[in-house]
Amino acid sequence: EIVLTQSPATLSLSPGERATLSCRASQSVSSSLAWYQQKPDQAPRLLIYDASNRATGIPARFSGSGSGTDFTLTISSLEPEDFAVYYCQQGSNWLFTFGPGTKVDLK
Amino acid sequence: QVQLVESGGGVVQPGRSLRLSCAASGFTFSSYGMHWVRQAPGRGLEWVAAIWYDGSNKYYADSVKGRFTISRDNSKNTLYLQMNSLRAEDTAVYYCARGPALTGYPFDYWGQGILVTVSS
Repeated sequence: EIVLTQSPATLSLSPGERATLSCRASQSVSSSLAWYQQKPDQAPRLLIYDASNRATGIPARFSGSGSGTDFTLTISSLEPEDFAVYYCQQGSNWLFTFGPGTKVDLK
Repeated sequence: QVQLVESGGGVVQPGRSLRLSCAASGFTFSSYGMHWVRQAPGRGLEWVAAIWYDGSNKYYADSVKGRFTISRDNSKNTLYLQMNSLRAEDTAVYYCARGPALTGYPFDYWGQGILVTVSS
């Protein structure tokens, strides 16, 4: 099983600041890495797939990078609606795992 | 528009069974892989099971293998999760989600979730 770790667990920032979230895989997943945003009492929303492709309707302030085992989600300038929990997910051979999440909260 | 609506949740005693359903609309259901993902209270996301677009292949997380069965009825645009031998640790919100037919990932649409509580 491919294990994903995310860091930091919590990121305390102010609106307008840049957020950098990390996801590391226990073995290479090539570029099969997605990022999701989840707000309280809501279903997750797909942000990024294949490491760097924005999903439909996702603002350009969200960007993803990386390949192999190390990935990054960057929010260039935090908007009030961006404070949420972010999960990475790997998609390899139909066995999927999620990372534990990074909470971006208000400083 | 794409809609996924879960049903069948509730409170069930340990060791008993429950079947969840996910009604799909707004897209060609038979052209997509489908998934169940769960989230225990206050915890992160856990992928549970996946099924190919035609139902010919199924995959499970180790935590539910042998107890849960995923299935689909493409004529009814419905996904199912049969959960047997339920344990307290299966208590969670269960989401159904859609993925592409070939790779199954990413999960681009999700239902609103349904709560399953396993308790005596």
